[in-house]
Amino acid sequence: GNSVTQMEGPVTLSEEAFLTINCTYTATGYPSLFWYVQYPGEGLQLLLKATKADDKGSNKGFEATYRKETTSFHLEKGSVQVSDSAVYFCALSRYNQGGKLIFGQGTELSVKP
Amino acid sequence: DGGITQSPKYLFRKEGQNVTLSCEQNLNHDAMYWYRQDPGQGLRLIYYSQIVNDFQKGDIAEGYSVSREKKESFPLTVTSAQKNPTAFYLCASSVSRGGQSGETQYFGPGTRLLVL
Repeated sequence: GNSVTQMEGPVTLSEEAFLTINCTYTATGYPSLFWYVQYPGEGLQLLLKATKADDKGSNKGFEATYRKETTSFHLEKGSVQVSDSAVYFCALSRYNQGGKLIFGQGTELSVKP
Repeated sequence: DGGITQSPKYLFRKEGQNVTLSCEQNLNHDAMYWYRQDPGQGLRLIYYSQIVNDFQKGDIAEGYSVSREKKESFPLTVTSAQKNPTAFYLCASSVSRGGQSGETQYFGPGTRLLVL
């Protein structure tokens, strides 16, 4: 079946450190891939997405590249800020599956000043 | 401002009681979704609807029911048959009828359900 696996958290970094959160997926065909972010007590917001192999999604300094050969969509940011502290979810959707998202378990990021 | 509203923010359920969570959107989106979030876990799909008067079960529909009588509204009822209802419930919507991969889903702020 379809699934998403993320690196376990919590991840604790100092401000201005480099961030990588690993995400790998299992799916038949060509899924679309997403990163969503959840701030404490809130709903989810789309951070970035990619809909085909080798596409790079980017937003607010975050980037992720859709790698079909390694079935991965790792999230990166060159210099994190305290305001980036949140839970990050990797997700996929497949064509003709009602648009439903399949989520990883989430990775909590804490950035210290 | 367009968006998704969920109410209430917190909801308490007594044993044997049904409770209904509200979800309203003014984005003119066709598709709507309900997810459940448990601590340390990802979101799991409860129900979804691609068009008015139609909906489908997700991965964990047992103990829940929904209706879609209006395009902008998709209420979720947590019935007494749901034995472990304590969770954070998130409603989402997307533009089209859900056949497209790659569509962005927009989420509401969530309702936290607690059992007394």
